[in-house]
Amino acid sequence: GAVVSQHPSRVICKSGTSVKIECRSLDFQATTMFWYRQFPKQSLMLMATSNEGSKATYEQGVEKDKFLINHASLTLSTLTVTSAHPEDSSFYICSARSDSRGDTQYFGPGTRLTVL
Amino acid sequence: RKEVEQDPGPFNVPEGATVAFNCTYSNSASQSFFWYRQDCRKEPKLLMSVYSSGNEDGRFTAQLNRASQYISLLIRDSKLSDSATYLCVVTRGSNTGKLIFGQGTTLQVKP
Repeated sequence: GAVVSQHPSRVICKSGTSVKIECRSLDFQATTMFWYRQFPKQSLMLMATSNEGSKATYEQGVEKDKFLINHASLTLSTLTVTSAHPEDSSFYICSARSDSRGDTQYFGPGTRLTVL
Repeated sequence: RKEVEQDPGPFNVPEGATVAFNCTYSNSASQSFFWYRQDCRKEPKLLMSVYSSGNEDGRFTAQLNRASQYISLLIRDSKLSDSATYLCVVTRGSNTGKLIFGQGTTLQVKP
């Protein structure tokens, strides 16, 4: 199966700082990448969809100015949580999809963000 | 109403038992259906896709009823290693690629 990496795997930061999370598809070109967030004992919630070279599409209720997404190449998407607050503490997971591989999405290992 | 609904459980079963999970979805335009498995503090991993004709993969059998918008997963001969959270997942509409996850059903298999 395809491999998707995320970096960092874990980050602890102070309130008010910005955190950047990278998502890379290692062995295929991802035409679309998705970002999810998962709070404890809850399901994964889709935050946004990003296509290479175009602006991300955000789900209802997700602040685009707070969660900046950049999909600059077919193998890299970044999510920046700006001015993070404790309520942003969560498990952030990306997935990557290639048009040549149908509906299958390949998930990264996730990034656990803790904002103090 | 949630787009995908599951009984969160937990389901506590002995090794060797057969256990079934159910899921309903609200968007009749959904085209693709999956079961994912998620272990504690890890990313979800695809267990199997679900087709209208039903499909089987070893001890796992998945069924889809489009008319009732209902999906099921049957696990036979449960193993300790099957302990995990099972996520019912559907695509939102057709050709959007967006996956909508259910809350998940927790399974604990005990010796």
